[in-house]
Amino acid sequence: QSVLTQPPSASGTPGQRVTISCSGGSSNIGSNPVNWYQHLPGTAPKVLIYSNNQRPSGVPDRFSGSKSGTSASLAISGLQSEDEADYYCAAWDDSLNGPGWVFGGGTKLTVL
Amino acid sequence: EVQLVESGGDVVQPGGSLRLSCAASGFPFSTYSMNWVRQAPGKGLEWVANIKQDGREYYVDSVRGRFTISRDYAKRSIYLQMNTMRVEDTAVYYCARERRIPTPINYYYIDVWGQGTTVTVSS
Repeated sequence: QSVLTQPPSASGTPGQRVTISCSGGSSNIGSNPVNWYQHLPGTAPKVLIYSNNQRPSGVPDRFSGSKSGTSASLAISGLQSEDEADYYCAAWDDSLNGPGWVFGGGTKLTVL
Repeated sequence: EVQLVESGGDVVQPGGSLRLSCAASGFPFSTYSMNWVRQAPGKGLEWVANIKQDGREYYVDSVRGRFTISRDYAKRSIYLQMNTMRVEDTAVYYCARERRIPTPINYYYIDVWGQGTTVTVSS
């Protein structure tokens, strides 16, 4: 059971806009920025969005992020076949039991 | 070019030990916090351990007391010593760099990942 909650799957057709949600709590998303990663099997994960809505250089502006309270979302517009991958949200958790990074369970995106 | 290269993955029996290494290059190693993140077969990403520039260490509950993260500034490397290993420690282990977000508050994000090294715990 992951600390951050994501839908296990999402899908869309080429050109469509899809959103992936990420729900957490006051000690993680409610207190710290959210980051999003794209992961293809057998490869290193890649950061898509950091600090809720910032794109690293080289990430297309088709990818955008937002955060409100203890939830965040990743939007992908103009969906392309190469976007088919697993997507993870992550945030630092300030838990008194032991701070650390927490991830969502991942959302498998299928481009139909 | 910023690069993280993991090594040390192997097959080990339950209760056994293993030491993973991660060699860093292409950036000022001493000024970055570093992490180990793993992915078990068919599962999602799970953070394992973090070591700050000042040496502070943090662990996920499931490995605290069994795993130890360390760093060698001269060798530009971090390590993960894994003891009393369990079947559920089977995973691909990634080394990952943590970068500071340029804001007044010290927020960070994981920005660079290695390719991973595979650990299998099985009898």
